[in-house]
Amino acid sequence: ETGVTQTPRHLVMGMTNKKSLKCEQHLGHNAMYWYKQSAKKPLELMFVYNFKEQTENNSVPSRFSPECPNSSHLFLHLHTLQPEDSALYLCASSQDWGVRTYNSPLHFGNGTRLTVT
Amino acid sequence: DQQVKQNSPSLSVQEGRISILNCDYTNSMFDYFLWYKKYPAEGPTFLISISSIKDKNEDGRFTVFLNKSAKHLSLHIVPSQPGDSAVYFCAASAKGGANNLFFGTGTRLTVIP
Repeated sequence: ETGVTQTPRHLVMGMTNKKSLKCEQHLGHNAMYWYKQSAKKPLELMFVYNFKEQTENNSVPSRFSPECPNSSHLFLHLHTLQPEDSALYLCASSQDWGVRTYNSPLHFGNGTRLTVT
Repeated sequence: DQQVKQNSPSLSVQEGRISILNCDYTNSMFDYFLWYKKYPAEGPTFLISISSIKDKNEDGRFTVFLNKSAKHLSLHIVPSQPGDSAVYFCAASAKGGANNLFFGTGTRLTVIP
């Protein structure tokens, strides 16, 4: 399998549940990302990991907890979410992270459609 | 406040004609711009990019134009094909980073056969 793979594709959870989103990249990239896409809003960067180290956390609420055990795997642990957290969660990877990375575009997975009831 | 804006949520074009998708930005520090294309039930895929030292970049049927003074860029698709029907996202970054991106809300292009 190649590219960036996200599981599950769809997830429905209650506000008191705990669930995890999984992302795996087979591209040999060094950086991985979580993005959130809400209806009629731009993609929002949530977290960036570079060589397994978290480098960005864009003021994301603590009910979202990322984990990056190695450069190929990324998780997003979810607990006590709110209905407004319902969105498409996209994982992405890139060869490098940082400035002057012109030739290192993001490669996205197909996303997890999350519904919080 | 959104730093990258795509003011047209949708665009319909006849097959074989030119599609022009527009994008405006407000941050003068942006120096690298990208277009991503997204089909339903798939993630966005990288299409074409341009750095601020250029005003045009071409890749096959796709050309991106950058007007720095107007803080405006556009994506031209010539000729348009039905397979081009998708949502197109404009993105921008500062310091040439291909990954710390600010995205627009997207324009849905429909190419009519």
